[in-house]
Amino acid sequence: DAGVTQSPTHLIKTRGQQVTLRCSPKSGHDTVSWYQQALGQGPQFIFQYYEEEERQRGNFPDRFSGHQFPNYSSELNVNALLLGDSALYLCASSWWGSSKGHYGYTFGSGTRLTVV
Amino acid sequence: AQKVTQAQTEISVVEKEDVTLDCVYETRDTTYYLFWYKQPPSGELVFLIRRNSFDEQNEISGRYSWNFQKSTSSFNFTITASQVVDSAVYFCALSPYNTDKLIFGTGTRLQVFP
Repeated sequence: DAGVTQSPTHLIKTRGQQVTLRCSPKSGHDTVSWYQQALGQGPQFIFQYYEEEERQRGNFPDRFSGHQFPNYSSELNVNALLLGDSALYLCASSWWGSSKGHYGYTFGSGTRLTVV
Repeated sequence: AQKVTQAQTEISVVEKEDVTLDCVYETRDTTYYLFWYKQPPSGELVFLIRRNSFDEQNEISGRYSWNFQKSTSSFNFTITASQVVDSAVYFCALSPYNTDKLIFGTGTRLQVFP
């Protein structure tokens, strides 16, 4: 049973460019959350998608946007990249029906984004 | 404000030593959830435990144990007889009742030497 799959694994972009990161949730999961983890820091919540809609959002600018597809996979888009956007981007999938328990949270291994 | 503090940035121990990772949290909510995750070098976060704010019973799972004390807003994690495979970064996290998001601490890097 495949867990959460993220692509690409590593990515190097130039300041000002745009980037798209992809996430396939664990089989049976219908909710996807995205986190940003800067070097030496804990992950920070970006947003969560369920039923193709953004349900919750953290304290991130509008340059960060997302999308969820009918097959529950998700994309994270970041426009006008800044050097400070360099981080590990983690995707976590879960089942919406898991009553706040978070037992269903499964994290991927992340995409390492470097902005130069 | 809701916040998680892990004051220990890095801990080094020799195999078979016991080690305790500290976690202090801040929240005004009466209902919340606390978590511990392990992050090995591969990057993914591995779920270790979840506690809700009404359950202060300590828990033991093999070599792992957790001490939850609401009076001091702490949720500490102890590894007994540490092993090299325990080497990783460990995160404590808080989740408010009305949201799914996790608020992480800055993590504690544990290095276990043979």
